[in-house]
Amino acid sequence: DAGITQSPRHKVTETGTPVTLRCHQTENHRYMYWYRQDPGHGLRLIHYSYGVKDTDKGEVSDGYSVSRSKTEDFLLTLESATSSQTSVYFCAISEQTGLIEAFFGQGTRLTVV
Amino acid sequence: ILNVEQSPQSLHVQEGDSTNFTCSFPSSNFYALHWYRWETAKSPEALFVMTLNGDEKKKGRISATLNTKEGYSYLYIKGSQPEDSATYLCALKTSYDKVIFGPGTSLSVIP
Repeated sequence: DAGITQSPRHKVTETGTPVTLRCHQTENHRYMYWYRQDPGHGLRLIHYSYGVKDTDKGEVSDGYSVSRSKTEDFLLTLESATSSQTSVYFCAISEQTGLIEAFFGQGTRLTVV
Repeated sequence: ILNVEQSPQSLHVQEGDSTNFTCSFPSSNFYALHWYRWETAKSPEALFVMTLNGDEKKKGRISATLNTKEGYSYLYIKGSQPEDSATYLCALKTSYDKVIFGPGTSLSVIP
């Protein structure tokens, strides 16, 4: 299995609180991605990174920010969580751009109450 | 907004049956197409990356074809087994770094 771990795996938080999810890889892959998975929508890209300190927005980036201060870690922050951000969040890594031969993490189930 | 569609949404087949499902996408935005297999409680696993019109890829009993001119890809599973039960996702790469996922086809293989 590829070395990619997400933490925490489950979290319940209150509306308005900040939340940070962590994606950690040991593969030294250049590209890292955060997706959310919701019923009827498949996987939707929130943000991605193409190198240390290089990030860009995906299709559903509003309300989220990311940081990548070192190759192995990609953090997703919800500055002020809302109930619409209740979802399952997946991190992915790939050596090539465009999710070619990507590996996915196990997912983080976030519930905002 | 670009849309990637998959049909059917779900499928139930008997063990030993062969099956296939479809991924449709706007042909004008094609760069590459991915197929992923996603088992319950696990993370998506890459199956194929397809880039050329007429591409045909195979991995064991699973194969895929691609038609970029008409904007579709088929995934075939020959002699379905219970362990094939999963959601199968296709994802369209539309440019250097943009990938859009379809909603998936959920396959249940009944022993």
